[in-house]
Amino acid sequence: GESVGLHLPTLSVQEGDNSIINCAYSNSASDYFIWYKQESGKGPQFIIDIRSNMDKRQGQRVTVLLNKTVKHLSLQIAATQPGDSAVYFCAENSQGAQKLVFGQGTRLTINP
Amino acid sequence: DGGITQSPKYLFRKEGQNVTLSCEQNLNHDAMYWYRQDPGQGLRLIYYSQIVNDFQKGDIAEGYSVSREKKESFPLTVTSAQKNPTAFYLCASRLKPNTGELFFGEGSRLTVL
Repeated sequence: GESVGLHLPTLSVQEGDNSIINCAYSNSASDYFIWYKQESGKGPQFIIDIRSNMDKRQGQRVTVLLNKTVKHLSLQIAATQPGDSAVYFCAENSQGAQKLVFGQGTRLTINP
Repeated sequence: DGGITQSPKYLFRKEGQNVTLSCEQNLNHDAMYWYRQDPGQGLRLIYYSQIVNDFQKGDIAEGYSVSREKKESFPLTVTSAQKNPTAFYLCASRLKPNTGELFFGEGSRLTVL
């Protein structure tokens, strides 16, 4: 069945370092991927998305990389700040599907 | 401003009582979704609706019910049949059912005493 999973449930980084959060997916028909950020007690917020016809997309301080060969997605956050502390979820949607499938999430903690 | 509004933010109920969580959106989105989130867990889909007067079960629909009488509203009822209802409930919507990002509300935390 479909599944989207994350390699690590927690990640600690030093303030100012770059963070890399990984995500594996199993549905080869997935053609749209999203990263969300969820702060404690709040709803998830959209960070960045990417379609399967791309392998890289950049936003403000964030980059998403897609490797369709190994079904792997990553989120890179440059110069991590205290405000980046949150749980990060990847999600995927296969063409025509009516729902997103979410991964378990990775908690990112920033050390001063 | 456009967005999704969930209410109440916190809700306490006694075991055996039905409770209804409200979700309203003014984004003119066709599709709406309800997710459940338990501590340290991801999001699990309860119900979703592509269009008014239509909805489908998600992965964990047992013990829940929904309605979609208006495009902007998608209330969720947690019934007494739900064995473990204490959780964080998230409502979301997107413009079309099969593409695009989900916009989330701020969530409703239900605690059953």
